[in-house]
Amino acid sequence: DGGITQSPKYLFRKEGQNVTLSCEQNLNHDAMYWYRQDPGQGLRLIYYSQIVNDFQKGDIAEGYSVSREKKESFPLTVTSAQKNPTAFYLCASSMRYNTEAFFGQGTRLTVV
Amino acid sequence: GEDVEQSLFLSVREGDSSVINCTYTDSSSTYLYWYKQEPGAGLQLLTYIFSNMDMKQDQRLTVLLNKKDKHLSLRIADTQTGDSAIYFCAERQGNQGGKLIFGQGTELSVKP
Repeated sequence: DGGITQSPKYLFRKEGQNVTLSCEQNLNHDAMYWYRQDPGQGLRLIYYSQIVNDFQKGDIAEGYSVSREKKESFPLTVTSAQKNPTAFYLCASSMRYNTEAFFGQGTRLTVV
Repeated sequence: GEDVEQSLFLSVREGDSSVINCTYTDSSSTYLYWYKQEPGAGLQLLTYIFSNMDMKQDQRLTVLLNKKDKHLSLRIADTQTGDSAIYFCAERQGNQGGKLIFGQGTELSVKP
């Protein structure tokens, strides 16, 4: 089945640790996105990538890093520099421009 | 600015129509989208409208776009309890490399 897969669904991290969230798509989409969702704030864009080996910062990139070495994969690392990492993280993908984005089921990250 | 604004809550009775409103600021937006999110899940695309259209109808859903006022609405006819969810408006910004910006989401509650 074609789709976009995020793993794991739930993730717990100790303060001071880096953690990487996985996002894989087999839709042959060029563009991929990472959003953070907090209650009452909607979705805020962290990073996006329009093509392999290229990515741009979104509105809240501080404390996060990404890579785009393969078209299918866009992992997000939440570093220890991110002051308030507990949130619901959503990955999406789309054809290059002006088309709808398809979302994964999300990863809920909790810092303990 | 890049703001997309929505009211946070809407409550309706089963069988009534629901109207969810959204305003955006970027006049270069090309596509505007409506997504639905059920608890703990990713976002599901409901419908979209191209910026040179005024209206789009898809079964129980009607999208109206007033480009002059930068106002978008989603009408759900004969609202059912299964329509209870958070609804997000999003704009694809034409001069920002296809960046996809979301509103805060409107929580629709349907009472029997």
